[in-house]
Amino acid sequence: EVQLMDSGGGLVQPGGSLRLSCAASGFSFSTYSMNWVRQTPGKGLEWVSYISAGGDTIYYADSVKGRFTISRDNAEKSLYLEMDSLRDEDTALYYCVRELWSAGYRLWDYWGQGTLVTVSS
Amino acid sequence: DIQMTQSPPSLSAAVGDRVTITCRASRRISGDLNWFQQKSGQAPKLLIYAVSSLQSGVPSRFTGSGSGTDFTLTISTLQPEDFATYYCQQTQSAPFTFGPGTKVDI
Repeated sequence: EVQLMDSGGGLVQPGGSLRLSCAASGFSFSTYSMNWVRQTPGKGLEWVSYISAGGDTIYYADSVKGRFTISRDNAEKSLYLEMDSLRDEDTALYYCVRELWSAGYRLWDYWGQGTLVTVSS
Repeated sequence: DIQMTQSPPSLSAAVGDRVTITCRASRRISGDLNWFQQKSGQAPKLLIYAVSSLQSGVPSRFTGSGSGTDFTLTISTLQPEDFATYYCQQTQSAPFTFGPGTKVDI
């Protein structure tokens, strides 16, 4: 059974840092690209970052570029999101998401349960 | 960036109704258009990918259609468990953007 377990969220002050983790099981993690997506009541669903299966291709949303770093450890079957210089507007539920290619189309088929990040003084 | 809009923002329907949700992209999408269902307290669930392909395990009452900039999700016969919020998403190019969602009340 495919499982993605998000963790690492919590309360942090503005300007602080946090590291999110996503532990994968039930599939060959090293052969799948992964994404981080966040959700707030006010802004809905927002894609945050992408990393290819081998870690050689990375994308970021403009809103987090220069502050967040995505990485992965295929041996440990884990995905990470290092978040620095956190702002109030980074407060959200963060999901890791598995990406699959089917017939030339990108689709996101499995999501973690989410980990809540709250940025507040 | 490709902006996604949805209509209506919310709707009320009865069990057995046919429901249609519309999604519009700010520029042409080749086919990388997906639909997600999200129930309260749960992560989004993939329903439809590549405009009209039904994800494994999803009931056939869900269908997707459209092309270019205009896309539609149809629920043919609404069931009580379909109470949820529905999002469209484009995965043609980063940033991979979502629509604002359509909340379906039963």
